[in-house]
Amino acid sequence: EAGVTQSPTHLIKTRGQQATLRCSPISGHTSVYWYQQALGLGLQFLLWYDEGEERNRGNFPPRFSGRQFPNYSSELNVNALELEDSALYLCASSPGQQETQYFGPGTRLLVL
Amino acid sequence: GQQLNQSPQSMFIQEGEDVSMNCTSSSIFNTWLWYKQEPGEGPVLLIALYKAGELTSNGRLTAQFGITRKDSFLNISASIPSDVGIYFCAGPQYYGGSQGNLIFGKGTKLSVKP
Repeated sequence: EAGVTQSPTHLIKTRGQQATLRCSPISGHTSVYWYQQALGLGLQFLLWYDEGEERNRGNFPPRFSGRQFPNYSSELNVNALELEDSALYLCASSPGQQETQYFGPGTRLLVL
Repeated sequence: GQQLNQSPQSMFIQEGEDVSMNCTSSSIFNTWLWYKQEPGEGPVLLIALYKAGELTSNGRLTAQFGITRKDSFLNISASIPSDVGIYFCAGPQYYGGSQGNLIFGKGTKLSVKP
């Protein structure tokens, strides 16, 4: 069974640009979660999607947004990039609203 | 809000030694999860605990769900070099009785000297 996949693996952008990160959950999983892991700050919750709806968002500004598609894959968009957005962005999936989440390898975003 | 306090922050041990780390919270959790993250990769689920007092093993790893539901422990016996990584505890945040996203401890960085 394939795990959670994310693309791209690395992304380099400049300040003010927009970034789009993609995630494909484990087959059969309907919930997708996005986390930001900045250096020294641990994993911070960004967004949670379930059955195509945004269920909750963490303490991040509105320029962090996303969506979930009918096939349950998800996209994270970050507008007006700032230097401090440089981080590893992790996607996790779970079978519905369960606490056991399985993570992808992440997308490392570097903002110059 | 809910917070998880994980300790120690880092450990530097000799191969073959046992390791112990813990996670505490001021809030009650109904589930405790332990993940391991290696450099450049996403966290991998090691052990999930669902019941107060539960003791669960996964090979050389053993985790316990504290009886107060406010803490959890992870032990690694006879450490080997491939145990190197950052270990995170995590628990679910609840919304109206349903589980949602996870809250993570800040991690314990384990280094093993051969």
